[in-house]
Amino acid sequence: DAGVTQSPTHLIKTRGQHVTLRCSPISGHKSVSWYQQVLGQGPQFIFQYYEKEERGRGNFPDRFSARQFPNYSSELNVNALLLGDSALYLCASSTGATFQETQYFGPGTRLLVL
Amino acid sequence: QKEVEQDPGPLSVPEGAIVSLNCTYSNSAFQYFMWYRQYSRKGPELLMYTYSSGNKEDGRFTAQVDKSSKYISLFIRDSQPSDSATYLCAMSSMDSNYQLIWGAGTKLIIKP
Repeated sequence: DAGVTQSPTHLIKTRGQHVTLRCSPISGHKSVSWYQQVLGQGPQFIFQYYEKEERGRGNFPDRFSARQFPNYSSELNVNALLLGDSALYLCASSTGATFQETQYFGPGTRLLVL
Repeated sequence: QKEVEQDPGPLSVPEGAIVSLNCTYSNSAFQYFMWYRQYSRKGPELLMYTYSSGNKEDGRFTAQVDKSSKYISLFIRDSQPSDSATYLCAMSSMDSNYQLIWGAGTKLIIKP
């Protein structure tokens, strides 16, 4: 079975630009969570979606937004990119709505903002 | 002060040694404790999952939780070069809707 897939794998943008990152969960998983992992740090929670509804939001500015589609895939959008947005963006999927469910992570999208 | 503290390492040990990785935390409400392994340029992979205090063993891996000391450990027996990775602890509580709070990760190097 395919695991969580993310695209693109790498991305280079300049300050002020906009970026869209994509995630496809494991088949049968209805929950998708997004995390930002800065080099040398643990992941920081950005959003969780379950059945196309936002179920949780971390401490990130409104420049960050996300959505989940009927097929449970998800997009993370970041507007007005800053240098500090350079990080590995991880997507995780799980079967249920709560974080008690085991989360399975994709390989991430590495974003570099110049 | 961070909610979860973890020594970033690197921790370098010879093949076959017993490895001890640790995290301390400040929030006594944490109930669920996890250890993830992250290889370079990959996403984290769940290794161990423990609820409340006690020990849990899975093959060469043992997870320990001491809630009275707010301290968790992961032990790796008979370490292998393939165990070389960054190990992240994560924990959650009902109070925070079970949102995962992560340590910064410890980089482990197993020398052949």
